[in-house]
Amino acid sequence: EDKVVQSPLSLVVHEGDTVTLNCSYEVTNFRSLLWYKQEKKAPTFLFMLTSSGIEKKSGRLSSILDKKELSSILNITATQTGDSAIYLCAVGAKGRDDKIIFGKGTRLHILP
Amino acid sequence: ETGVTQTPRHLVMGMTNKKSLKCEQHLGHNAMYWYKQSAKKPLELMFVYSLEERVENNSVPSRFSPECPNSSHLFLHLHTLQPEDSALYLCASSQDWTSDGYTFGSGTRLTVV
Repeated sequence: EDKVVQSPLSLVVHEGDTVTLNCSYEVTNFRSLLWYKQEKKAPTFLFMLTSSGIEKKSGRLSSILDKKELSSILNITATQTGDSAIYLCAVGAKGRDDKIIFGKGTRLHILP
Repeated sequence: ETGVTQTPRHLVMGMTNKKSLKCEQHLGHNAMYWYKQSAKKPLELMFVYSLEERVENNSVPSRFSPECPNSSHLFLHLHTLQPEDSALYLCASSQDWTSDGYTFGSGTRLTVV
């Protein structure tokens, strides 16, 4: 059974802290791993990762994929209250199993 | 299964066809959503239903027609679609429409020819 598991489910930190969110997966015919930030109803796309070991960065956010370990991390440095959201990890499968499997998300709350 | 089941998994339809996508959840959630995921575009929210009533409709063309007969089922009826409507259509549910803990289905890959 394909699955995507995120940890922790919930995280509360103080502004300025660095956080690391984890995503592990078991998906047949892996194509890509995606990270989203959800503050309202439509998640905002953050990163798409297809190659192992190559870090993608966008401002204070960065992410990397480890295909050997079937996992990815999302790092946020110097957190701000505006980073409070649910962070979703999703894995796309290719071929006949063309689908996308979402994790349950990590609820991140940044205290001022 | 994630708790939200979508059928069919794949659909190829002509521009004059009429078809329907189905979403089912047995999580006891009261809100259900349709999203469109196009290649290289952000996830787009299409419709929101809360307790079987439509609460949001984000400027979606009338060739997409949602139906929510009960809180466990959501349909997206399709007719006279265009090739640019080809995308992955995702269904999601949440406890209620103001909460943000969503459970997503795996999607229906739609190709319009």
